[in-house]
Amino acid sequence: EAQVTQNPRYLITVTGKKLTVTCSQNMNHEYMSWYRQDPGLGLRQIYYSMNVEVTDKGDVPEGYKVSRKEKRNFPLILESPSPNQTSLYFCASSLSGRIDTQYFGPGTRLTVL
Amino acid sequence: QKEVEQDPGPLSVPEGAIVSLNCTYSNSAFQYFMWYRQYSRKGPELLMYTYSSGNKEDGRFTAQVDKSSKYISLFIRDSQPSDSATYLCAMSARTASKLTFGTGTRLQVTL
Repeated sequence: EAQVTQNPRYLITVTGKKLTVTCSQNMNHEYMSWYRQDPGLGLRQIYYSMNVEVTDKGDVPEGYKVSRKEKRNFPLILESPSPNQTSLYFCASSLSGRIDTQYFGPGTRLTVL
Repeated sequence: QKEVEQDPGPLSVPEGAIVSLNCTYSNSAFQYFMWYRQYSRKGPELLMYTYSSGNKEDGRFTAQVDKSSKYISLFIRDSQPSDSATYLCAMSARTASKLTFGTGTRLQVTL
């Protein structure tokens, strides 16, 4: 079954404690992205990657890091989380950027106290 | 001003009604126009997408794009309770690598 998986699905942490949210896809997609979703602001892109070792900033990259060492994985790293990073995070992937092949993961709800 | 504007709703309609959902945008470079459906506690799923202007129909769903007015619409005919979800419009100048989303409209279809 084609899918994008994220872990963890729910996380409560404290300010400053480094964390990583993993994202993995089983469709051999080149493109992967991270979004955050906040009430009244919709989905906003954090980072995206067009292939292994190729990443670029989205609209709201501050406070986040990513890496793309393998095609299937695209982890999101918060080195020093702050309360304003409390949000619902989605990972997405697509085949060569084709819109009709895009899949979203189930989401990770992060709370930073 | 946001690049993409979408009324957040909520919109409540009786079963069987025709639903109209809309977005406006300001960026003339947008060429791809998408509608996503998001159920509670789930990720968005692509419902329909259109390239440039025109209409596209898929079952009970019709997407319309009017680039001259910078206005897109999604129509749902014979709405069902299972259509209750948040509907997100999204736009892109090139590919799925860079999407700009509306804030979403929450739709409730009642029996």
